Amino acid sequence: DQQVKQNSPSLSVQEGRISILNCDYTNSMFDYFLWYKKYPAEGPTFLISISSIKDKNEDGRFTVFLNKSAKHLSLHIVPSQPGDSAVYFCAASLRIMLDRIWVGNNRKLIWGLGTSLAVNP
Amino acid sequence: GAGVSQSPSNKVTEKGKDVELRCDPISGHTALYWYRQSLGQGLEFLIYFQGNSAPDKSGLPSDRFSAERTGGSVSTLTIQRTQQEDSAVYLCASSPQVGGSGNTIYFGEGSWLTVV
Repeated sequence: DQQVKQNSPSLSVQEGRISILNCDYTNSMFDYFLWYKKYPAEGPTFLISISSIKDKNEDGRFTVFLNKSAKHLSLHIVPSQPGDSAVYFCAASLRIMLDRIWVGNNRKLIWGLGTSLAVNP
Repeated sequence: GAGVSQSPSNKVTEKGKDVELRCDPISGHTALYWYRQSLGQGLEFLIYFQGNSAPDKSGLPSDRFSAERTGGSVSTLTIQRTQQEDSAVYLCASSPQVGGSGNTIYFGEGSWLTVV
C-alpha cells in the first residue's frame, strides 16, 4: 500500500507560470516531509523540506505547503523555468526505532512515485 | 569528494553472476542508506546503516541481497546469483547525525545495473 502518493505522473506548464506538484500521505506518524528533484541518469537531489510543526516553508522560487488535517502537501514553483523540468519526488520521514528507542535523527524515507514536470519555453 | 560517491556507475552482468556495488558516503555522515529504483517504480528502501550496524534490514528483497559497512564509511551492496528482475538503479545516500527533527539525506548518482 502506497503511504505517499503523487497522483499526477506528469505535469506540463508554460515558462513563467506557476507549477504546483501535489502529494498525499496516509500515515499520521510522518513528521518531516521532503521534496527531491531528479534529472535523467542522476540521483535525486534535495530541494526543500518542511517539518510537521509548520504549514509553509519558502526558499526562493520554491514553496512547500503542508495541510496536516488533509494529509496533503504541495510544492509551488514560481516562476517556472525550463531548467526546472525534471521528476519531482515527495518523501515523508518516519523516525526509526533503534533498540526500542526512538532515535529522532535516524530516519527512513517513504517515497512517492514521482511527478514528471515539463516546463515549456 | 564533496558528495556521495558510487561505483560502478554502470554494470551489465549475466544472469546468475554476483555483483558488488560500492558506496562512499559524505565524510562524517554516520547514517547510510541503500535504495533501489526499478523502471516505472518509486524509490524502494533496501537497508540502512547507523555506523557499521544495520538495525533495519526489512527492505532487502531476498537472501541473495546483503550489505555491509566497515569503518563507519564505505558500504558495499552485494547481489548473489543475479536475476533479471534485479535490473534497476541502486542509489546510496547518507545523512549526518545532527540534532533537531530534520535530517536531510544526500544521494549519490546511482549504480545502474542491467542483468542480461
